[in-house]
Amino acid sequence: DTGVSQNPRHKITKRGQNVTFRCDPISEHNRLYWYRQTLGQGPEFLTYFQNEAQLEKSRLLSDRFSAERPKGSFSTLEIQRTEQGDSAMYLCASSPQGRNTEAFFGQGTRLTVV
Amino acid sequence: ILNVEQSPQSLHVQEGDSTNFTCSFPSSNFYALHWYRWETAKSPEALFVMTLNGDEKKKGRISATLNTKEGYSYLYIKGSQPEDSATYLCALRGGSGGSNYKLTFGKGTLLTVNP
Repeated sequence: DTGVSQNPRHKITKRGQNVTFRCDPISEHNRLYWYRQTLGQGPEFLTYFQNEAQLEKSRLLSDRFSAERPKGSFSTLEIQRTEQGDSAMYLCASSPQGRNTEAFFGQGTRLTVV
Repeated sequence: ILNVEQSPQSLHVQEGDSTNFTCSFPSSNFYALHWYRWETAKSPEALFVMTLNGDEKKKGRISATLNTKEGYSYLYIKGSQPEDSATYLCALRGGSGGSNYKLTFGKGTLLTVNP
């Protein structure tokens, strides 16, 4: 297993366009998370999946954002009608079930909205 | 809202210097404290997970301590090397009644080690 994989690594899009990112977690991990990091800030929690169930969504996620994890494997994060404020690093992480387990992060997708 | 503070925001040291950073937080009621190292163009790499007051963890030249009663954790790097240059992130899991899976990060400390 090569760890958490995210695609694409970079995305430049025009304002108003839709974008979709993909995350492939470590295969035996049933927990999957999306975080967003903007300039000068630490990563902020967006959403959490346990298997295929989306159990929590942050208030940071407006209704333009949607995340899915069909079949409890890979996950996608879609942003509709992108705005310049959506420009950020989008990080995906996964972890096994357990109280004190570590979350393993992907390299992130850098989104730039122009 | 759980507030995780890290200081300093950035740090420049010479190769061979030892250094330390601080992570402070208001609550002792949390599941775990995590330290990550994030090098440019790479994934954040987990360094330590600490849960108990007085915990001390060590990995090579890097070590960390946790004081839950006073609400801080220190990360120490002994004999800094240029390859230690990275952003060091502290994150609290849980805390203030939060869920046991969600990480709340500080803004990080950017370390630059000059050769």
